[in-house]
Amino acid sequence: QVQLVESGGGVVQPGRSLRLSCAASGFTFSSYGMHWVRQAPGKGLEWVAVIWYDGSNKYYADSVKGRFTISRDNSKNTLYLQMNSLRAEDTAVYYCARDGGRPWSGYPFNWFDPWGQGTLVTVSS
Amino acid sequence: QPVLTQPPSSSASPGESARLTCTLPSDINVGSYNIYWYQQKPGSPPRYLLYYYSDSDKGQGSGVPSRFSGSKDASANTGILLISGLQSEDEADYYCMIWPSNASGVFGGGTKLTVL
Repeated sequence: QVQLVESGGGVVQPGRSLRLSCAASGFTFSSYGMHWVRQAPGKGLEWVAVIWYDGSNKYYADSVKGRFTISRDNSKNTLYLQMNSLRAEDTAVYYCARDGGRPWSGYPFNWFDPWGQGTLVTVSS
Repeated sequence: QPVLTQPPSSSASPGESARLTCTLPSDINVGSYNIYWYQQKPGSPPRYLLYYYSDSDKGQGSGVPSRFSGSKDASANTGILLISGLQSEDEADYYCMIWPSNASGVFGGGTKLTVL
């Protein structure tokens, strides 16, 4: 079955870096755009970033632009989120999700399905 | 960044219908956007429910019951999620989302639905 499993979360000090991973299985990973979405404790959802199926394009939320980098390794069926210069307000559960559009789409701005279970990132001194 | 406004809470009794709204800012025309809806239960990731653009352009998530449906109220610049035949398992948080033209996804603040 289609599955996404995030890892790499943990407690990190402000200003430090962390890299999240999302391992995909059950579908042709290299054919789909992928997203990161986060949710601060007790708060709503916030879209973070998107990457094209082939990694050729990436877009970010203003809140993370210049600090976070989304990437993928299609040979490893894995999505990444490199998070630098972390702030307390980046504390959240980070979810990866597959874009719901067609394979090899040049427009990965659709629904998110499925989602991973999420990994918690806590930024605190 | 546009803000999608959702009432923080809503409630209805089992068997009744729940109408959850998602109001777009006045400078964004609801008629021009797909409205995506997600359900999230405590301790679980969100689940995709459906999208609605028009009666001829809409889609249901895999396994989502047909009693979940979408619509729009153009006069109120609002997207609507209608849940008919409410069940206790429908108690959850519901989020709407759009993709504004700047390629940055925007979620509403979410509505907590209580089944009385």
